[in-house]
Amino acid sequence: LAKTTQPISMDSYEGQEVNITCSHNNIATNDYITWYQQFPSQGPRFIIQGYKTKVTNEVASLFIPADRKSSTLSLPRVSLSDTAVYYCLVGETYWGGKLIFGQGTELSVKP
Amino acid sequence: DVKVTQSSRYLVKRTGEKVFLECVQDMDHENMFWYRQDPGLGLRLIYFSYDVKMKEKGDIPEGYSVSREKKERFSLILESASTNQTSMYLCASSLEGGGSYEQYFGPGTRLTVT
Repeated sequence: LAKTTQPISMDSYEGQEVNITCSHNNIATNDYITWYQQFPSQGPRFIIQGYKTKVTNEVASLFIPADRKSSTLSLPRVSLSDTAVYYCLVGETYWGGKLIFGQGTELSVKP
Repeated sequence: DVKVTQSSRYLVKRTGEKVFLECVQDMDHENMFWYRQDPGLGLRLIYFSYDVKMKEKGDIPEGYSVSREKKERFSLILESASTNQTSMYLCASSLEGGGSYEQYFGPGTRLTVT
């Protein structure tokens, strides 16, 4: 099963673009890459998911290189409310597949 | 909107007690999951269920069991609670299995075993 590695913490300022990279060297052919956001005292919340190349939604972009051994979550123009823990998740798509959560990156956005 | 609810936000139990954590989802999802979350360790999967009465072990099943008698309800059972089971417990559900489907999480139950 693929294991993920992320930076433990990152600091940023309001209005900046933030890029969080996740390493998953043993990712399998069927694995999708998913990112979740978690605020204190809440459950994680889905942000974005991708398989290869680039995916963009109203919240973030996800960049996945051709070898798929890493992925980068990009948050444009962060605000104080983006202060949270961000998890990279690599999971199998078949029925009953197991999921692996990374350690999480604690993002602190300062004014 | 999908709603996943957990029976308690905070729970305090004594060592050796039998503990039940309940989770209910309202979107007819096939899959349900129990995780625990500890500082520095992230989320770890305890058990998951892909159908009524079906269950699979996650990464840390020791000391836990689960029950899924109805599709919308997934229970986590600590047969004999121990202090090392003090943690935040998170329930989640997804439409289907695997990593390509979004998981919806409940608010969590913070369990303290004394």
